This record gives sequence, C-alpha cells and structure tokens, in this order.
Amino acid sequence: DAGITQSPRHKVTETGTPVTLRCHQTENHRYMYWYRQDPGHGLRLIHYSYGVKDTDKGEVSDGYSVSRSKTEDFLLTLESATSSQTSVYFCAISREHYEQYFGPGTRLTVT
Amino acid sequence: GQQVMQIPQYQHVQEGEDFTTYCNSSTTLSNIQWYKQRPGGHPVFLIQLVKSGEVKKQKRLTFQFGEAKKNSSLHITATQTTDVGTYFCLSGNTPLVFGKGTRLSVIA
Repeated sequence: DAGITQSPRHKVTETGTPVTLRCHQTENHRYMYWYRQDPGHGLRLIHYSYGVKDTDKGEVSDGYSVSRSKTEDFLLTLESATSSQTSVYFCAISREHYEQYFGPGTRLTVT
Repeated sequence: GQQVMQIPQYQHVQEGEDFTTYCNSSTTLSNIQWYKQRPGGHPVFLIQLVKSGEVKKQKRLTFQFGEAKKNSSLHITATQTTDVGTYFCLSGNTPLVFGKGTRLSVIA
C-alpha cells in the first residue's frame, strides 16, 4: 500500500464544533483528494489539491475547506460541523491525475 | 454536469457464476478507472482504460472501454468468495466522478 495515513481514524463531535482531519503521505505525489462516502451516494469528491497551496472544489465542497502548506499534508476542515457531515472520509493521492491510492479512512460522527 | 451511472446496484451470485458491472457516462471520457472496496476497507485501484475499444484482462477480470468512450464494463469469470466487495468506476474527466458502485455478494 502507498504511504498514506489519516488522522484521527475515528471521531465523535458535537454539532457546531470545528473539526480538522489530516491526511499525510510519504510518496511525494502531486495530487491529493478528500472524498466522503455515504450509503447510497458512493464516493463523492469534496476538494482536491494539485500542488502546495493549489486547491480546487469538488462535487460536495459546501461546508468544507482545505489547506495544503506542505506536499505531504492535506487538511480538511469542517468549520462548524453538522449532522449531515456524519460520514466516512477518505483521503487519496496520485502522481498525476490518474490512478489514486486511498488512505484507511476516518469515521466521523456529528451528534 | 457530468454523470456516471453504474448498474446494477447489487448483485448476488453463486460461487462459480459470472458477474458484470457497467458504467455509462453522459459525456465522452478521457479515461476510466476501476476500483474495488472490500467490506470495511478502502478503495483499491484495479485498472485504467484510456483507448477507445480497449480491453484489458487481469486473471479472471476483464475490463472494456466502449468505442465511443462513454461506457465501460468489468466482467468477472467464475466468481470466488474473495471477489466479494463493491466495485466502482471513476471518470477520469475533471471534475472526478465515481459511479455509485455495484456491491457483489458471492454465496459459497
């Protein structure tokens, strides 16, 4: 498996609190992605990055922000968590905009 | 916007039977990728198809890309219990869009 980790792996938080999820890679890949996975919706792209400080929105970006200050780290922030953001979040990396390698996922529950 | 329809949503087969999942796009694709996700796991890249009419094989798995580059299929011959999981296609166009997946169950 590619060198990609996510932290935390599990988190329970209350509605209205800020939450930051971290994705860390050791592969020096250019592209990094954040997805959420929900039953009936499959995997949906939230944001992605194509380089340090270069990010773009995906299909479901509302309520989320991202930052990439180093090649190896891509942070996903929920400014004010809502119950609709309860999901499993996957980070992925790719050398170019092609085959992606996924992290183990973060299970987030917003109560 | 771009849509990727994947069917069927679920498929239950007896071990040894064949299985096929299909993806159809509303737009022409630059490439299409296939992923497998085991229950409780993360998606794992299987293959990428780029050329019109391309056919690739991986042991019992056969992947096809349509002539018009708008559809693709994954066929598994003689399923085994190790094939259990959800199979997703991913459009290579920007923005990236996954099909909703086909969940395969194999009854031994």
